[in-house]
Amino acid sequence: NAGVTQTPKFRVLKTGQSMTLLCAQDMNHEYMYWYRQDPGMGLRLIHYSVGEGTTAKGEVPDGYNVSRLKKQNFLLGLESAAPSQTSVYFCASNVGYYEQYFGPGTRLTVT
Amino acid sequence: GENVEQHPSTLSVQEGDSAVIKCTYSDSASNYFPWYKQELGKGPQLIIDIRSNVGEKKDQRIAVTLNKTAKHFSLHITETQPEDSAVYFCAASQSGGSYIPTFGRGTSLIVHP
Repeated sequence: NAGVTQTPKFRVLKTGQSMTLLCAQDMNHEYMYWYRQDPGMGLRLIHYSVGEGTTAKGEVPDGYNVSRLKKQNFLLGLESAAPSQTSVYFCASNVGYYEQYFGPGTRLTVT
Repeated sequence: GENVEQHPSTLSVQEGDSAVIKCTYSDSASNYFPWYKQELGKGPQLIIDIRSNVGEKKDQRIAVTLNKTAKHFSLHITETQPEDSAVYFCAASQSGGSYIPTFGRGTSLIVHP
């Protein structure tokens, strides 16, 4: 039981490049989330999903897209990376009204 | 929507002292209040949670109290140890809504040996 895993762990992008972050969970959770963490800002919700094939916007969705084609995977895409997207990204999952399980994070730098 | 405020942003204590972190929430419909600990370079991990039908919950050196009337809840750590040094987040969510939690901005706890 690996819990929540994230790929990759680190990435450096140039402005304008695109990339996809992959989150996978093996706990059969319905809910999945993408957060970004910046110093002094806590965890800010980017997008979330309440089930396979569904997605919804969170607090800071601009510049990001997501897809949940399979229940166990939640993908976060950056179509044209900007320096303001330099951050640590966390994926989480849960069954809804219970604790969230977080992945180890992806540190992204956009130059 | 829900708004969660967390204080202090930084807390420095000596080993063996107690530490208290406080959070307030705005939506009276919120009824689930978890606390997460984030160690350096890792993702947050649940350490304790409380639901609105109880006022206090304890787990060894950690306790959480909830005051529904005042809409605030607190994390208490007794006999702090250097390994308690981390960032702590509070959150609030409700079972009757979309379950999406709202997080506080975090408290950096430093325990000096």
